[in-house]
Amino acid sequence: AQTVTQSQPEMSVQEAETVTLSCTYDTSENNYYLFWYKQPPSRQMILVIRQEAYKQQNATENRFSVNFQKAAKSFSLKISDSQLGDTAMHFCAFMTRQGAQKLVFGQGTRLTINP
Amino acid sequence: GAVVSQHPSWVICKSGTSVKIECRSLDFQATTMFWYRQFPKQSLMLMATSNEGSKATYEQGVEKDKFLINHASLTLSTLTVTSAHPEDSSFYICSAVRGTDTQYFGPGTRLTVL
Repeated sequence: AQTVTQSQPEMSVQEAETVTLSCTYDTSENNYYLFWYKQPPSRQMILVIRQEAYKQQNATENRFSVNFQKAAKSFSLKISDSQLGDTAMHFCAFMTRQGAQKLVFGQGTRLTINP
Repeated sequence: GAVVSQHPSWVICKSGTSVKIECRSLDFQATTMFWYRQFPKQSLMLMATSNEGSKATYEQGVEKDKFLINHASLTLSTLTVTSAHPEDSSFYICSAVRGTDTQYFGPGTRLTVL
């Protein structure tokens, strides 16, 4: 069974700083997807970024980028120029390409951006 | 694009009654939808997979007779909590799969059972 681990329960940075959230996962699969979702106080889950495991190039979305290390099974999220709106729970998630499209979530990292 | 709605966003009911929660994909069709439950300060716990036109698949430990799921169309799945009790109080979230791989989430429903 796949597992996802986020080792940082909480992080706090100043506005405009860069912050990196860690995520490791365990799988025997070779083809899969990895995601970062954020859940602000409204509790709406919002997709931040998506990575396909067969792509070596790291995904980027504006201020958000990932460092995908397949051999190390590591998938960290870097947020540049952090904004107050980035304050949220951030969840790393894994999905195999085979089967039922289920997401396996990490425990989450509570990120606070301070003004 | 990829908007998912849930209704109601908040419901209070008496113990023993049933509550229905709707999940709709507004701008795409979704063969597969998922239902999650989230306790305070915890991650999402998958309850069941809802497939259009077929029976839902429940995760281990989830009572299928307690949590009835119907996925009657490509844009609508419903979760009915039957004979609700206070321990069923929680935040319920649905998601819909767009394409083959990405889940988009509804805003959630807060259920309080008195």
